[in-house]
Amino acid sequence: ETGVTQTPRHLVMGMTNKKSLKCEQHLGHNAMYWYKQSAKKPLELMFVYSLEERVENNSVPSRFSPECPNSSHLFLHLHTLQPEDSALYLCASSQDDIRRKNTEAFFGQGTRLTVV
Amino acid sequence: GDSVTQMEGPVTLSEEAFLTINCTYTATGYPSLFWYVQYPGEGLQLLLKATKADDKGSNKGFEATYRKETTSFHLEKGSVQVSDSAVYFCALSSGYSTLTFGKGTMLLVSP
Repeated sequence: ETGVTQTPRHLVMGMTNKKSLKCEQHLGHNAMYWYKQSAKKPLELMFVYSLEERVENNSVPSRFSPECPNSSHLFLHLHTLQPEDSALYLCASSQDDIRRKNTEAFFGQGTRLTVV
Repeated sequence: GDSVTQMEGPVTLSEEAFLTINCTYTATGYPSLFWYVQYPGEGLQLLLKATKADDKGSNKGFEATYRKETTSFHLEKGSVQVSDSAVYFCALSSGYSTLTFGKGTMLLVSP
């Protein structure tokens, strides 16, 4: 398998549940990201990891907790979410930290999350 | 800060029509520019890119030219197909912040 793979593709969870989203990249990249895509809103960057170190957290609520155990894997742990957290969550990776110019990101297919 | 403005959609065309999706930007320095495409139910795929002024990015019949003087990166295709129906995102990377995306433009192509 190549590229960026996200699991699960779809997830329905209650507000009291705990679940995790998984992302794996097979591109040998050094940086990974979580984005949130809500209907009729621009893509929102949530977290940036560069060389397994979190380098950016865009004021994301603590009910979202990322984890990057190595450069190929990224998790997003979810607990006590709200219905407004329902969205498509996209993982991406890039060769270098995307805050550097000329670096493009490669995206996974996303996890469609519904909070009920 | 950096920003990207795209034309509002949806853009509705018949098959084989000419496509233009406008994109303008404001950025610090000289950014790299990208077009991403998102097919229904999928993530974003890089469609094309340009890294300096007057560069033309091209892929799958789509083209966009980096115009520094007008701060634009309009996406064009000479003859669209039904399979091109998707949401198209213009984005930039200036080296001072993370990728900045436009809001996306939905393209609907009918047979």
